[in-house]
Amino acid sequence: AQSVTQLDSHVSVSEGTPVLLRCNYSSSYSPSLFWYVQHPNKGLQLLLKYTSAATLVKGINGFEAEFKKSETSFHLTKPSAHMSDAAEYFCVVSERSNYQLIWGAGTKLIIKP
Amino acid sequence: EAGVAQSPRYKIIEKRQSVAFWCNPISGHATLYWYQQILGQGPKLLIQFQNNGVVDDSQLPKDRFSAERLKGVDSTLKIQPAKLEDSAVYLCASSLGGVAGPSTDTQYFGPGTRLTVL
Repeated sequence: AQSVTQLDSHVSVSEGTPVLLRCNYSSSYSPSLFWYVQHPNKGLQLLLKYTSAATLVKGINGFEAEFKKSETSFHLTKPSAHMSDAAEYFCVVSERSNYQLIWGAGTKLIIKP
Repeated sequence: EAGVAQSPRYKIIEKRQSVAFWCNPISGHATLYWYQQILGQGPKLLIQFQNNGVVDDSQLPKDRFSAERLKGVDSTLKIQPAKLEDSAVYLCASSLGGVAGPSTDTQYFGPGTRLTVL
């Protein structure tokens, strides 16, 4: 069965420094992978998605993620953090066999001034 | 383009009472999802509709939860009777439901309804 592990429940970085949110997945088939962001009291918003095209995926707000099959990872990065990036981030995997979306537990990103 | 609308935004009830949530998806979206998100966890799919038919309700506690999507547009999710463990945010999402399949179909989420059961 597929699963998603977000390796950090909280990540704290200073404004202007790089962001790395880690995600590992387990999948029997070729997966689709997504990152969603949830700001406080707001709905979930899609940041980016990987669907078997380019392994480096660029998303909104300067975020990008790289699909590494050998490492079963899909880490989210951003070169320079902004205060507005403070939110909860979810890594999601979907298997093509049954189309179910499996969500990670989330990583809370904290930005220090 | 209007997003996914949900109401109410907040609801407080006592255990054993009933509650209903409403969702209006993005116009033209064939697929509608209800998720339950407990504090500190990722969303859990409760039910998925394609137009007005149920695609997946395997994780819906059918003894107390029900959902419908009459006419393939708006949807309501009901809990009757509520338990303490039902306290959560209930999220509605919609997607086009395109030929590429749900695995690549972007889901757009509403703001959610925060339910507190006392």
